[in-house]
Amino acid sequence: DADVTQTPRNRITKTGKRIMLECSQTKGHDRMYWYRQDPGLGLRLIYYSFDVKDINKGEISDGYSVSRQAQAKFSLSLESAIPNQTALYFCATSDFGPGNYNEQFFGPGTRLTVL
Amino acid sequence: AQTVTQSQPEMSVQEAETVTLSCTYDTSESNYYLFWYKQPPSRQMILVIRQEAYKQQNATENRFSVNFQKAAKSFSLKISDSQLGDTAMYFCAFMKPRTGNQFYFGTGTSLTVIP
Repeated sequence: DADVTQTPRNRITKTGKRIMLECSQTKGHDRMYWYRQDPGLGLRLIYYSFDVKDINKGEISDGYSVSRQAQAKFSLSLESAIPNQTALYFCATSDFGPGNYNEQFFGPGTRLTVL
Repeated sequence: AQTVTQSQPEMSVQEAETVTLSCTYDTSESNYYLFWYKQPPSRQMILVIRQEAYKQQNATENRFSVNFQKAAKSFSLKISDSQLGDTAMYFCAFMKPRTGNQFYFGTGTSLTVIP
């Protein structure tokens, strides 16, 4: 089973609709992240969370909100979707501390299309 | 903010040949981590190789190796004996521990291995 899962894998929605992307992890990591990927722009950070009570804005948080329901779950919401939010969205997790490599582990991505 | 630059949007290489992907970054930090991630058509983000800035020795992972030049802030990826399965988008990423594992990604290099 995958360590980081995202649902849905693909979603088409209409302008103005509310949509939620979900992320779950079984790695036991405290830190979770949401990114969006656009062609030619790489991955950009939307929000990140150090634990359930610690949520931080990333580079491009406008138009998005998040919820950390548990250590293992981190959801991203688009309150009123717009076409320029069409992108590939990734959830990632990481562990932190001496003795580990601080890499991020990514989910399979969600392809979101806003019409 | 940190910046990561990948100046080669697209590259190609003949199967079994060697190719080098370039990456430069800008930071005033002395302690940080660098990563190369691979994104094949399946869109999964896969860690290829990592480098701790305090280590002078260049990291290697089988056919993948890096040329880390700290003073020049350069972190290039060399792929030896290129294989068709190496066809993918490659992202360079920078992380400094003080930002909670926040990654800064380059815009990516699309590599095609030609049979």
